[in-house]
Amino acid sequence: ETGVTQTPRHLVMGMTNKKSLKCEQHLGHNAMYWYKQSAKKPLELMFVYSLEERVENNSVPSRFSPECPNSSHLFLHLHTLQPEDSALYLCASSQERGRVTEAFFGQGTRLTVV
Amino acid sequence: GQQLNQSPQSMFIQEGEDVSMNCTSSSIFNTWLWYKQDPGEGPVLLIALYKAGELTSNGRLTAQFGITRKDSFLNISASIPSDVGIYFCAGRPPNNAGNMLTFGGGTRLMVKP
Repeated sequence: ETGVTQTPRHLVMGMTNKKSLKCEQHLGHNAMYWYKQSAKKPLELMFVYSLEERVENNSVPSRFSPECPNSSHLFLHLHTLQPEDSALYLCASSQERGRVTEAFFGQGTRLTVV
Repeated sequence: GQQLNQSPQSMFIQEGEDVSMNCTSSSIFNTWLWYKQDPGEGPVLLIALYKAGELTSNGRLTAQFGITRKDSFLNISASIPSDVGIYFCAGRPPNNAGNMLTFGGGTRLMVKP
């Protein structure tokens, strides 16, 4: 099994749909993240969960709703999205222990909003 | 928020050539990470740096944590076609809760066989 697994890999949804992205990490990490990657833009941090509590919400619109039921799973619930929300959504995890801060990424979900 | 300036934005080189790219910031970082992203995939960690002046290698890749803690560079020696991709630097500033990283804009590397 790969370290961080995201499903689905590709998703096309209408603006009135509700869908969810799933992320699962098999690395025993205690922090998980959602990033958005748009064309020609740096990676944008959306949400951070540390020890299953949300510690950061980077001014993300409420049409994106994260959920972290346990340290291994992270969801991103999507509803009434806009076409400009089309992007690659990346999940990452890391272990908070002292200075070690390597984040490991999943393969991403390519989201297209039509 | 803090920003990382990564350069060059893109490079088109001949196979066998060496490559150098760097990241700079106006503020200090405690950690520098370098990632590579292939098309349609997530970034993969290449090298992690934790100490000013640290020089670390991973095969043909070498990265250094700048003495001022405001910059880092990545070198690739004797490039090969599979080095193609986007390389990202990432840094963690001091007193940063939640292990949040700031990412550079990426360097797109293209290698001509």
